[in-house]
Amino acid sequence: EVVMTQSPATLSGSPGERATLSCRASQSISTELAWYQQKPGQAPRLLIYGASTRATGIPARFSGSGSGTEFTLTISSLQSEDFAVYYCQQYSQWPTWTFGQGTKVDIK
Amino acid sequence: QVYLQESGPGLVKPSGTLSLTCAVSGDSITSGNWWTWVRQPPGKGLEWIGEIFHSGPTNYNPSLKSRVTISLDKSKNQFFLKLTSVTAADTAVYFCASGPREVYGTFHIWGQGTMVTVSS
Repeated sequence: EVVMTQSPATLSGSPGERATLSCRASQSISTELAWYQQKPGQAPRLLIYGASTRATGIPARFSGSGSGTEFTLTISSLQSEDFAVYYCQQYSQWPTWTFGQGTKVDIK
Repeated sequence: QVYLQESGPGLVKPSGTLSLTCAVSGDSITSGNWWTWVRQPPGKGLEWIGEIFHSGPTNYNPSLKSRVTISLDKSKNQFFLKLTSVTAADTAVYFCASGPREVYGTFHIWGQGTMVTVSS
């Protein structure tokens, strides 16, 4: 099983600041990496797939990068609605899809 | 617009069977998507349970494989989760989700989730 490790566990930021979230895979997954955003009491929402492709309707302030084992989600300018938990997920090792443990982005 | 809606008992007794339904609207269950179940214990992260394709193939998380069955009903445009021999560790919010065959393994659409508690 591919283990996904996210850092930091919690990131405190202010509106307008840049936020950088990291995700590491225990083995190479090429660019088969997705990012999800989850707010309290809601289902996750797909932000990024293919490591860098924004899903439909996702604002341009969200960007993804990386390949192999190291990946990054960047929020260029935090908005109030961006404070949430973010999960990375690999879909390279068929047929077992695995998620990271999450990074909580909260208000400083 | 595709919508997914989970339903089922909110309380299951230990050693019993958890059974959930996901109703699909706005798309046909035979459209070519994979149909998936994911769960989230209270205060914890996401765990993929398994998936099904309309023509029959299923894949399950190895850690749950001996207890899980996912099936579907094309006539009702629904798919189902059955988890047997449940314990308190199976207490979670259960989500149904789907993703396109073109990006197999991603989950573009999610239901709102349903909380299932395992308790006597």
